[in-house]
Amino acid sequence: KNQVEQSPQSLIILEGKNCTLQCNYTVSPFSNLRWYKQDTGRGPVSLTIMTFSENTKSNGRYTATLDADTKQSSLHITASQLSDSASYICVVSANTGGFKTIFGAGTRLFVKA
Amino acid sequence: DAGVTQSPTHLIKTRGQQVTLRCSPKSGHDTVSWYQQALGQGPQFIFQYYEEEERQRGNFPDRFSGHQFPNYSSELNVNALLLGDSALYLCASSFRGGASYEQYFGPGTRLTVT
Repeated sequence: KNQVEQSPQSLIILEGKNCTLQCNYTVSPFSNLRWYKQDTGRGPVSLTIMTFSENTKSNGRYTATLDADTKQSSLHITASQLSDSASYICVVSANTGGFKTIFGAGTRLFVKA
Repeated sequence: DAGVTQSPTHLIKTRGQQVTLRCSPKSGHDTVSWYQQALGQGPQFIFQYYEEEERQRGNFPDRFSGHQFPNYSSELNVNALLLGDSALYLCASSFRGGASYEQYFGPGTRLTVT
């Protein structure tokens, strides 16, 4: 069964600290993996997108890694800011000849001053 | 360059009623996907429209239907509303369908069924 599991479910960190969010998937055959940031009540905004051959991709203070062998990805946030408080969603797409995209439930990040 | 737009922003309906949500894709995009997101959950795929046809469908009943117009905009219709249909409905657009093309999401429509 195609699944995307994220951990932790929620996380509280102090402003300025770093954190790492995890994503494990069983989606096959793998096409790409994306990380989105979603503010409460708003649509998700893309942070990174990685294909099978990419191990890491950065977008400012956000760095995503991908291990296609173990089917794991992480999103590392450096020097967190209050505005980083949001849900971070891992999305994995399968190349089945048709459209198949599986969303994780997200990690809720709270950055405190 | 306008991004993905959705209307209305918020909507309150009564159980049993019908509702229509609208989406205009990002400029240059021709594919629209609809998602339902319950509170605290990740988005669940409803269906995707490309070239005015439903190309893929998630695990949603026939009460959920859609349409895509020649200008690539799309509508999501939900009939016989249930309390469980209360959610944030997200529209995402991409170019030429498929999973490999990056999707851009709209701000969503918050539907409350009472």
